[in-house]
Amino acid sequence: NAGVTQTPKFRILKIGQSMTLQCTQDMNHNYMYWYRQDPGMGLKLIYYSVGAGITDKGEVPNGYNVSRSTTEDFPLRLELAAPSQTSVYFCASSPTGVGDNQPQHFGDGTRLSIL
Amino acid sequence: LAKTTQPISMDSYEGQEVNITCSHNNIATNDYITWYQQFPSQGPRFIIQGYKTKVTNEVASLFIPADRKSSTLSLPRVSLSDTAVYYCLVGDSTGRRALTFGSGTRLQVQP
Repeated sequence: NAGVTQTPKFRILKIGQSMTLQCTQDMNHNYMYWYRQDPGMGLKLIYYSVGAGITDKGEVPNGYNVSRSTTEDFPLRLELAAPSQTSVYFCASSPTGVGDNQPQHFGDGTRLSIL
Repeated sequence: LAKTTQPISMDSYEGQEVNITCSHNNIATNDYITWYQQFPSQGPRFIIQGYKTKVTNEVASLFIPADRKSSTLSLPRVSLSDTAVYYCLVGDSTGRRALTFGSGTRLQVQP
């Protein structure tokens, strides 16, 4: 009963370092999403994917990269970490898009601090 | 992007009915309206979704007027455990339009 699994749960990075946030889902969902949530704020879409090999930018894609080589995995890459990227990152998946009563399932988040 | 507007915060007491309204003036024909609940340190959790008129499930009701430019989430007889942030989301089933969460409404339920 795993659903959407994100690793790591917490991470501290130094400015300029790079890292990959991992996200995997075991529900065979086609759609996957990455959001960031700053303290006291709502979620902002970074990137999303409608299937393996297909990705598209969301509202705040700058400073991030994604890939979708398999249905299950959707990693998020930070190449040159900046303090402005300190946030909580949520990965989500859904069978299709928002409609047709197919809600998004969220992971527990990765809390990232960049110092 | 389909943008939504919600009240920043609301207060209520246990046992009362709470109605949270979301404005989405540029909703498109194919867009559905979805509401999520988020507790601190957790990812959002699906509550209810609708396209038009009224939808009801075991935890909430969703009212959508004919012009679909707004929607109202209704929580009957709230309890302390309903204290959370509630988000309204508008998007289409194809996923071709990017999805955007609103700023959310922080509901505080008092005893």
